[in-house]
Amino acid sequence: AQSVTQLDSQVPVFEEAPVELRCNYSSSVSVYLFWYVQYPNQGLQLLLKYLSGSTLVKGINGFEAEFNKSQTSFHLRKPSVHISDTAEYFCAVSDTTGANNLFFGTGTRLTVIP
Amino acid sequence: KAGVTQTPRYLIKTRGQQVTLSCSPISGHRSVSWYQQTPGQGLQFLFEYFSETQRNKGNFPGRFSGRQFSNSRSEMNVSTLELGDSALYLCASSPNTGSYNEQFFGPGTRLTVL
Repeated sequence: AQSVTQLDSQVPVFEEAPVELRCNYSSSVSVYLFWYVQYPNQGLQLLLKYLSGSTLVKGINGFEAEFNKSQTSFHLRKPSVHISDTAEYFCAVSDTTGANNLFFGTGTRLTVIP
Repeated sequence: KAGVTQTPRYLIKTRGQQVTLSCSPISGHRSVSWYQQTPGQGLQFLFEYFSETQRNKGNFPGRFSGRQFSNSRSEMNVSTLELGDSALYLCASSPNTGSYNEQFFGPGTRLTVL
């Protein structure tokens, strides 16, 4: 089975500052990695994913993440945040068999301060 | 294309009752997965249905069940409701065409058990 640890439950950051949300995973098999965003009273929206290939992946809304296999990490970064980025962010993993069951971290609440 | 729809959006029940939630996937998607989101336990996988068959199951008691119809619409049922079943229930659909299948999430059904 897989598991995900999001090290920070809350991250406050000033507008236009950079941010990094940390994610570590554990798995005995190869995995796919994901970051999702959830705005209040909404479902989850996929920000970006790592399936294979380049370890630096770019997503929507200016976010990017880097897969580090040796450190089993998949940290999310954005060079300059906006007020509209205030939301809950979830890191998730799945195995590579095509099974549609995602294992999620507990989430990081990003609050952008004007 | 219309997104994943879930009905109802909000539901209030009392302990001991049962409840049925509905999920209509994106047209052409054959896989539907269900997740429970609570402040304490985070996002947890309930089960996945594909071609009217349960393909994967998470670690939930038998009070949680589901089914899928021939048009891929899915329902989940929770019997003998407990206070701890209060949660946001999310469903996600995917096309299931390869080893990676992006899951598209609906807005969720917020269940409150009194």
